[in-house]
Amino acid sequence: GQNIDQPTEMTATEGAIVQINCTYQTSGFNGLFWYQQHAGEAPTFLSYNVLDGLEEKGRFSSFLSRSKGYSYLLLKELQMKDSASYLCAVRNDYKLSFGAGTTVTVRA
Amino acid sequence: NAGVTQTPKFRILKIGQSMTLQCTQDMNHNYMYWYRQDPGMGLKLIYYSVGAGITDKGEVPNGYNVSRSTTEDFPLRLELAAPSQTSVYFCASTLTSGGADTQYFGPGTRLTVL
Repeated sequence: GQNIDQPTEMTATEGAIVQINCTYQTSGFNGLFWYQQHAGEAPTFLSYNVLDGLEEKGRFSSFLSRSKGYSYLLLKELQMKDSASYLCAVRNDYKLSFGAGTTVTVRA
Repeated sequence: NAGVTQTPKFRILKIGQSMTLQCTQDMNHNYMYWYRQDPGMGLKLIYYSVGAGITDKGEVPNGYNVSRSTTEDFPLRLELAAPSQTSVYFCASTLTSGGADTQYFGPGTRLTVL
């Protein structure tokens, strides 16, 4: 089976940093994805990790530890437009299993 | 490229009615997927296809059917709609199953069954 856990909600102030954790226990693993989903919209791709370590893309970074079954998404210099749900997804073969998502609210 | 398109955007069905949710992609992607997303939940895989003529069940296939007669189209059929099928349905596609190839999502169909 697939078990992917992430916090339900997080709140942070504009300009701050927020870290969204994701832990997973899955029957197979060949990559971990983070998606951003604004309310009423489709998910859009943010980042991909398959090897241990940190991947940085502008204000967003994602980290993976395969031995711990753990990933995090780091959002720096938060902006109001970053208010959204962030979905952690693990790929096994060609299928993705998603966590329930973390709703991030950015306050002025 | 239009990417992944879905129709309709919204639909209200009565219990027992049937309908087809359309999904088309113009990126020549081999892999296509149907998900449903309930409020506050992640996406659950309903059906997927690894190429024209090949489909398989995902995590929550009951009450749904699919077909894949062309690379571009992957319609989802609901027979005998039930209130439990009230959800947002997303279609997605990806070129390959490896590397950093991500899934691209359509805009979604918001379905209510009353």
